[in-house]
Amino acid sequence: GQQLNQSPQSMFIQEGEDVSMNCTSSSIFNTWLWYKQDPGEGPVLLIALYKAGELTSNGRLTAQFGITRKDSFLNISASIPSDVGIYFCAGHFDAQLTFGKGTKLSVIP
Amino acid sequence: SQTIHQWPATLVQPVGSPLSLECTVEGTSNPNLYWYRQAAGRGLQLLFYSVGIGQISSEVPQNLSASRPQDRQFILSSKKLLLSDSGFYLCAWSHGGGYGYTFGSGTRLTVV
Repeated sequence: GQQLNQSPQSMFIQEGEDVSMNCTSSSIFNTWLWYKQDPGEGPVLLIALYKAGELTSNGRLTAQFGITRKDSFLNISASIPSDVGIYFCAGHFDAQLTFGKGTKLSVIP
Repeated sequence: SQTIHQWPATLVQPVGSPLSLECTVEGTSNPNLYWYRQAAGRGLQLLFYSVGIGQISSEVPQNLSASRPQDRQFILSSKKLLLSDSGFYLCAWSHGGGYGYTFGSGTRLTVV
């Protein structure tokens, strides 16, 4: 099956810093999605990308659908303590959604 | 609007006991339904998915089973729990296409 390589696995950053994480694959996807999971909760959809090259923002979050359709990145600007959690990328192709293994973000006040 | 309910939120069960986790979706019909397990707060492992009543696909062979007795109800079961069944279980629904999944709030299962 298709696999996603999500990096980094974990990040420790100072409050106010910008964050960048990405997902890559050897396979193409038709849709890229980014989720955030707060501790003890289910993942919640942050951003959905439907077209190659698409750049979408949601508040301090910006995500892009790579032009090759094999990668996507998520940036978080000016991080705050409530940004802590696990961020998952997900790629959709042929009726199947594949998840990355997650990036665990810790924000130091 | 659509909502997904998952219960219980936490569960502590002895080894060898049975398990039944329930998930229901409201506000939509004929959803695709999924059970995931997450160990140690990391990756999501797809256990089962269902595209309709009575239709269950298993991704990982193990001592768990799933059933879909009604259109918007998905149940995860086990006859005898193992220590390795401990984890965070998530139910999700979608309408297919590329619109992503909506997850429930999860069940933290500890087998002791």
